[in-house]
Amino acid sequence: DAGVIQSPRHEVTEMGQEVTLRCKPISGHDYLFWYRQTMMRGLELLIYFNNNVPIDDSGMPEDRFSAKMPNASFSTLKIQPSEPRDSAVYFCASSLWTLAGGRTGELFFGEGSRLTVL
Amino acid sequence: AQRVTQPEKLLSVFKGAPVELKCNYSYSGSPELFWYVQYSRQRLQLLLRHISRESIKGFTADLNKGETSFHLKKPFAQEEDSAMYYCALANAGNMLTFGGGTRLMVKP
Repeated sequence: DAGVIQSPRHEVTEMGQEVTLRCKPISGHDYLFWYRQTMMRGLELLIYFNNNVPIDDSGMPEDRFSAKMPNASFSTLKIQPSEPRDSAVYFCASSLWTLAGGRTGELFFGEGSRLTVL
Repeated sequence: AQRVTQPEKLLSVFKGAPVELKCNYSYSGSPELFWYVQYSRQRLQLLLRHISRESIKGFTADLNKGETSFHLKKPFAQEEDSAMYYCALANAGNMLTFGGGTRLMVKP
């Protein structure tokens, strides 16, 4: 397995443009997470899905952000319209929940999508 | 609400010196705690989890519920330990909250 795959790796866009980030989780994983990483705030959880259903989107900064997971092998994070303060590295991660001892599954991260909004 | 605090953004030590990366948490339930590491040009990856009680690459971390801490320690730092370290807490719903991260620099 190639691991979690994210695209694009780098995106430079102008303020007001729509940005779509894509993620392919590891096959068989049932949880998918979107995180945003900035120098000031570190890693922030934006939204996560379980079996393609959004569970908690309280971390999504505002209505300009939306995320979908139409099937088990694909998710998108969309920003419309984008603003300079959205510039960050966006990570997607997936995991497999295990009920053995109630342990949390290890998160496997993609390489991230670096977004620059001018 | 759950929160993870890593008070140091940057920690610089010399090779061979002991290192301790601090992590404090707040959580009303029974915590599951982790350390993740991001080496230069590599993906963020799991280093260790408190449940396993194991030593990985010479690092250990003990959960102290009284002090709500989960500090990461290594007795003798190596240059290859230089990386970004994140402490993380999982709630019952498998949601992982990360601290702000600490950049460890090990100087030769």
